[in-house]
Amino acid sequence: EAGVAQSPRYKIIEKRQSVAFWCNPISGHATLYWYQQILGQGPKLLIQFQNNGVVDDSQLPKDRFSAERLKGVDSTLKIQPAKLEDSAVYLCASSLNTNTEAFFGQGTRLTVV
Amino acid sequence: LAKTTQPISMDSYEGQEVNITCSHNNIATNDYITWYQQFPSQGPRFIIQGYKTKVTNEVASLFIPADRKSSTLSLPRVSLSDTAVYYCLVGDNGVNAGNNRKLIWGLGTSLAVNP
Repeated sequence: EAGVAQSPRYKIIEKRQSVAFWCNPISGHATLYWYQQILGQGPKLLIQFQNNGVVDDSQLPKDRFSAERLKGVDSTLKIQPAKLEDSAVYLCASSLNTNTEAFFGQGTRLTVV
Repeated sequence: LAKTTQPISMDSYEGQEVNITCSHNNIATNDYITWYQQFPSQGPRFIIQGYKTKVTNEVASLFIPADRKSSTLSLPRVSLSDTAVYYCLVGDNGVNAGNNRKLIWGLGTSLAVNP
């Protein structure tokens, strides 16, 4: 069974630039999560989708971060403009539904210089 | 939202049993306890989940006392490949969770298994 796919694996950008991450969840998984994990810390939930609707985006910095999940499958997370403190690993996860275990992708390591 | 507290790091040797305890004093009635494992440069991986008493799978056991204010992840006979960060999470995961499942990730426990 294919896992959660994320791309790119690594990205280096200058501050104030824009960047986008892509996630393809496990087939059939209705729930999709984006997490930010800063080095040495646990993951922090940025946004949670149920199909193509947003369930929770309370910790998403909406002035610069945006995410969408058109058609309830793939998702993209965008940062515009990036700040130095956005340097982190961005993890995508999916689950069958909101009350089942989450499967994580390998993440995208973002470095903002 | 239940906050969890677990040791920052632990050391062990191959073949030993490792027990990682997590405290969650303000766990709610509907909250489940979930443990994830994370290797460097990888996303977390689900290990085990429980509500009360004891749960065992092919990887680990989870012990939860009656008051549910703490839980212990038990890894039998660890190997070098068990070196990872282990996260304890508490959140509403029951059938009545609706669409608001919130799991708060702490710093985790960094387990080092030595030869």
